[in-house]
Formats: sequence, C-alpha cells, structure tokens
Amino acid sequence: EIVMTQSPATLSLSPGERATLSCRASQNVNNSYLSWYQQKPGQAPRLLIYGASIRATGIPARFSGRGSETDFTLTISSLQPEDVAVYYCQQDYNLPYTFGQGTKLEIK
Amino acid sequence: QVHLVQSGAEVKKPGASVKVSCKASGYSFTDYYIHWVRQPPGQGLEWMGWINPNSGGSNYAHKFHGRVTLTQDTSMGTAYIELRSLRSDDTAVYYCARDKVGVTSYGMDVWGQGTRVTVSS
Repeated sequence: EIVMTQSPATLSLSPGERATLSCRASQNVNNSYLSWYQQKPGQAPRLLIYGASIRATGIPARFSGRGSETDFTLTISSLQPEDVAVYYCQQDYNLPYTFGQGTKLEIK
Repeated sequence: QVHLVQSGAEVKKPGASVKVSCKASGYSFTDYYIHWVRQPPGQGLEWMGWINPNSGGSNYAHKFHGRVTLTQDTSMGTAYIELRSLRSDDTAVYYCARDKVGVTSYGMDVWGQGTRVTVSS
C-alpha cells in the first residue's frame, strides 16, 4: 500500500499570505494520478487539483499544484478567509487508492 | 446540473448490515466510476472501493474484502454499497464520488452529500 504523508499537520497564516502544503508518497505515484481535495467543516470534499497540476473546473487561479514521482506541493498564492479547510492529497496510481492524513489550514 | 444524492442516515447494531445508495443525475451514469470513501468522526478520508457502472467490475481496499459489496442499478442510475458484520469502528460518514472512466485519472469531481452510519448497541 502506498502511504501518503502530508506536512505540516496544521498551518496558520494571515490573509494574503502564501500557503505551501506538502505531500510525499512512499513510492512513485506518477504525476497523472495525484489529486488534491479541500474539505470544509460539515461538507463533502471538493476536488481542487488532478494530474498533480491541473485545476478542476471552477477552482480559483490562486490554487496551484506541482510535483512528480513522490513529492508534491499545493500552493495557495494569497490566502482568503474562505480557504479555511482541511486539505488532502490522494493517489489513484496503485490499489488501494490512499489519502494523506490531511493538513488543517487556519487563518490568523 | 450533475448531482449524486445519497440515502439517509442509518443507526445499526453491531453485527448487522447496512446498504447505502447513491443516485446519479445530470450525466451519463456509465461514463464514470463510482468510488466510496468514508470518514470516521474527527478523522481523515479512507478509500473503500470503486465500481465501473459500464462493466459492473469493481475493486475494493483489501481491509474490506469479504465485508463489502458494491453494486449498481444502471436503469436507475444508482450505485450501492453494502457493509456487513458492522463494528463500532465502522461508524463514519460514507461518501460516494464519481471519477471519469479513462486511461488516466481525472480525480473525483462530484461527491454525494454523505450518509452518516452509526453502529451502536
């Protein structure tokens, strides 16, 4: 099973700051099979990024993804209050598809 | 609009079974896998399995083998998950989500609203 490890566990930043969230896979997951999801309290997850760097429909340009093989990053260029959420990475390269444990993003 | 609408909350006793439905609308049901993902209270997301509505084929996370069955009714545009021999640690919100069938991954772009399953004696 591919283990996805996210860091940091919690990130606390001010509005307008840049947020960098990391995701590391225990083995190569291929760029095409890495997605990022945002989950706000009491809501279902929402797809932000697929294929490591492709924004899903309707996702603001301040969200971007990059990375390859085992190391991936989600960047929010200028934090907005509505970005408060837990962010998960997920690989669907090998079964079982696995999620990271999440990074909780807080706004100061 | 594209929607996945799930059945309502369930309360079950240990050892019982539960079946949750996920009704699709607004798109061609057979063009997208349906995944099932669960989230225990206060915890992260756990992928359970997927079904291909076009072929009926499915895959499960190994930890659920023998306890979970994914089915579909193509005529109704509805997918189902049945989990048997329920334990207290199966208490979670269960989500369905769609993912386009293809040679690469497009991520799970539409999710159901979630179904809360509580297992308690």
